[in-house]
Amino acid sequence: GENVEQHPSTLSVQEGDSAVIKCTYSDSASNYFPWYKQELGKRPQLIIDIRSNVGEKKDQRIAVTLNKTAKHFSLHITETQPEDSAVYFCAATINFNKFYFGSGTKLNVKP
Amino acid sequence: GAVVSQHPSRVICKSGTSVKIECRSLDFQATTMFWYRQFPKKSLMLMATSNEGSKATYEQGVEKDKFLINHASLTLSTLTVTSAHPEDSSFYICSAIDRAGNSYNEQFFGPGTRLTVL
Repeated sequence: GENVEQHPSTLSVQEGDSAVIKCTYSDSASNYFPWYKQELGKRPQLIIDIRSNVGEKKDQRIAVTLNKTAKHFSLHITETQPEDSAVYFCAATINFNKFYFGSGTKLNVKP
Repeated sequence: GAVVSQHPSRVICKSGTSVKIECRSLDFQATTMFWYRQFPKKSLMLMATSNEGSKATYEQGVEKDKFLINHASLTLSTLTVTSAHPEDSSFYICSAIDRAGNSYNEQFFGPGTRLTVL
């Protein structure tokens, strides 16, 4: 099955700096890659996603890039704010049949 | 976005009892629901895929007789943890797919159920 790896496991940045989280996947048939933000004790919330026919997508301070050849995708958060502090998960799926999650990145934005 | 509810939010039970967790899509029809298990400070582990009107598909290593899944309607799936033991204590989260036409949109999560088995 699909194997999704995520790095780093923890990331600490100063408020206003950028944060980058990277994921790799193993199954070249994966065609949808969502990113989720999860606060302690809460449900994961979709923050951005990208499909395999697109290389980059941006939504205000958040962007995701996808390199299908290398089978990796990254989350970029610019101008980080303390409220961005949370655990972020990447995931991959083939046609929404199953979702495989990365191990998570705990982001700490220091004021 | 679409709303998925999960009940109960928290349950404490004695070892050997069975616990049922409900997952409901409140404002859309979910042809597929997923059940995940999440350990503290860990990722979501897919347990099973539940399709309305058919048997659930379990991931490798997940005991289907231990974790009974029923998806009786397009808005309800249930997970029953049978004869629960302390090692079953975890955070269980469901999610539902909102299918619009022939396209899937995104996965919507329930708020999760914290199970503690004494």
